[in-house]
Order: sequence, then C-alpha cells, then structure tokens
Amino acid sequence: EAQVTQNPRYLITVTGKKLTVTCSQNMNHEYMSWYRQDPGLGLRQIYYSMNVEVTDKGDVPEGYKVSRKEKRNFPLILESPSPNQTSLYFCASSLYQVGRNEQFFGPGTRLTVL
Amino acid sequence: AQTVTQSQPEMSVQEAETVTLSCTYDTSENNYYLFWYKQPPSRQMILVIRQEAYKQQNATENRFSVNFQKAAKSFSLKISDSQLGDTAMYFCAFMKHGAGNMLTFGGGTRLMVKP
Repeated sequence: EAQVTQNPRYLITVTGKKLTVTCSQNMNHEYMSWYRQDPGLGLRQIYYSMNVEVTDKGDVPEGYKVSRKEKRNFPLILESPSPNQTSLYFCASSLYQVGRNEQFFGPGTRLTVL
Repeated sequence: AQTVTQSQPEMSVQEAETVTLSCTYDTSENNYYLFWYKQPPSRQMILVIRQEAYKQQNATENRFSVNFQKAAKSFSLKISDSQLGDTAMYFCAFMKHGAGNMLTFGGGTRLMVKP
C-alpha cells in the first residue's frame, strides 16, 4: 500500500530534551516536506527536500533541523524543544512533476512540550 | 509571498443539502495550482479536489466542485448532497508552479453536517 508513515504518533516531552520524528514514504517520491498545524493558522511548512541531500527552509524553520540521506526518509529533529513547538506535525511527499505534484500526507504526530 | 484566506471559521449544513466554502488568495503569479483538503476527526489530510490555474473549466469530483474565479482570486468549494461523513475541517491551499511543491494553506473551515 502506498503510504507515508510517521513515528511516533503521539509524544509528550520536556523542554530541552532532543527528539526526532521519523517520516518514511514508499512511493519513490522526490519531494518531501514537514508542516506544523496550529489552530486558526492552517498548516505551515517547516522544511522541505527536493531530493537526497537537498533541503531548504520553509516558512517556519526556527528550532528545527532535517536531513535527507535516503530518498524514502526525511526525519524532523528538534534539538532543544520548547513549549511553543507544541503542535500537530505532518510529513508529506509528492512527485516533482508538473501535473503530478499532489502531496500525500502522513497520519500526523501530536507533540506536547512541557 | 502568497496568502490564502478562509473567511468562515465554522459552518453547518443539513444532511442532503448543499454548502459552499469560501477561499480567496493573493498572488502575483500567473501559473499555479489550488487544492482543497479535508481533515476528518482522524486528522488525516485527504485531497478533495485540485485546479490548475491555466484551466478555465472548473474541477469536479463526484459531489465536490469548485468555482474558480481567477481574476477575483477566488476558489470556493461546493459540496452537494452533504453527508454525515463530510463533517471535517476543510483547508484551501495554493501551490506556485515551477518553484518547488510548497503548499500555502488557509486557516481552515470547520464543517458540521447535521442529521
């Protein structure tokens, strides 16, 4: 089954404790990205990657890191989480082709930073 | 930078009736894509419908259709014969053509379908 998976689905942590949220896709998509969803603000892009070893900042990159060492994986790293990073996080992937660029989303990760 | 505005935070509709969700956007681009995503209580983001800006014909997908007014920068979603399963958050989103696949989302409209 074609899908984007994220782990963990739920995470409660404390300020300053490094964490990683994993994202994996099995559709051989070039493009992957991370979004955070906050009430009233919709989804905002954190980082994106157009292929292996190619990453760039989105609209809200502060406090986050990413890496793209393999095509299928795109982990999101919070080196020192803070309470304002409490949010719902989505990973998404897509082909990087005109007309075939719909993004497929993972199930979301609910992160709470105390 | 692009902005997307959904002016209706919440809406409700009776089952089997028709409802229209509004979306406006601001861009200086001529080539772009517009999307509507549905987010049910499960939180999964589900693509409902997409529209290419160069196409004049409005997109339709079964009970879902759009009214795309390029000059007015308006992209509304019409849901016909509303069903209880349509209860969800709906997000309008914009993607610029040829500059990465970044989606810019509106703030969302929460739709409640009442029996």
